[in-house]
Amino acid sequence: GQQLNQSPQSMFIQEGEDVSMNCTSSSIFNTWLWYKQEPGEGPVLLIALYKAGELTSNGRLTAQFGITRKDSFLNISASIPSDVGIYFCAGFNNAGNMLTFGGGTRLMVKP
Amino acid sequence: DGGITQSPKYLFRKEGQNVTLSCEQNLNHDAMYWYRQDPGQGLRLIYYSQIVNDFQKGDIAEGYSVSREKKESFPLTVTSAQKNPTAFYLCASSIGVTQYFGPGTRLTVL
Repeated sequence: GQQLNQSPQSMFIQEGEDVSMNCTSSSIFNTWLWYKQEPGEGPVLLIALYKAGELTSNGRLTAQFGITRKDSFLNISASIPSDVGIYFCAGFNNAGNMLTFGGGTRLMVKP
Repeated sequence: DGGITQSPKYLFRKEGQNVTLSCEQNLNHDAMYWYRQDPGQGLRLIYYSQIVNDFQKGDIAEGYSVSREKKESFPLTVTSAQKNPTAFYLCASSIGVTQYFGPGTRLTVL
């Protein structure tokens, strides 16, 4: 089946630092989604990307849909303690007709 | 308020017992999904339903069963055949591609 490789698996950073994470695939996707999951809760949608090359921001978060349609990136600027959680990417293509999730990036922020 | 509810938040069961997890949505979404999440792991698809009275197996359906008698409801039964049922269970619904998740149920089998 389709695979999404998400990296890094975990990050431990200092408050105020910028964060970058990415998802790559051998398959082409038509839509990329980024979710955040806080401990003991369900994932919450952060950003949705629908077009190759698209760059979308949501506050301090910025995500990009890669030109090749096989990758996506999420950046968080000036991290704060409440950014702690697991960030998941998810991709969709019409052939599979289902979302494929990455394994998640666990972010820890030191005050 | 529109959203997805899962109940209960925490559930304890003895080994060998079947248990049913509830998922309700009032978003008028056609499609609903069940995922399993183990500590430090991603999401694995158990079952999904794209329309009432129809559902499909996901990647790890063995030991689980579902029903979709109403658009709003998609209960998941964890049967005694599931070898390792202790996990965090997430329900989602979607309109188009984007899935929206419930708060999850943590099932612990003693």
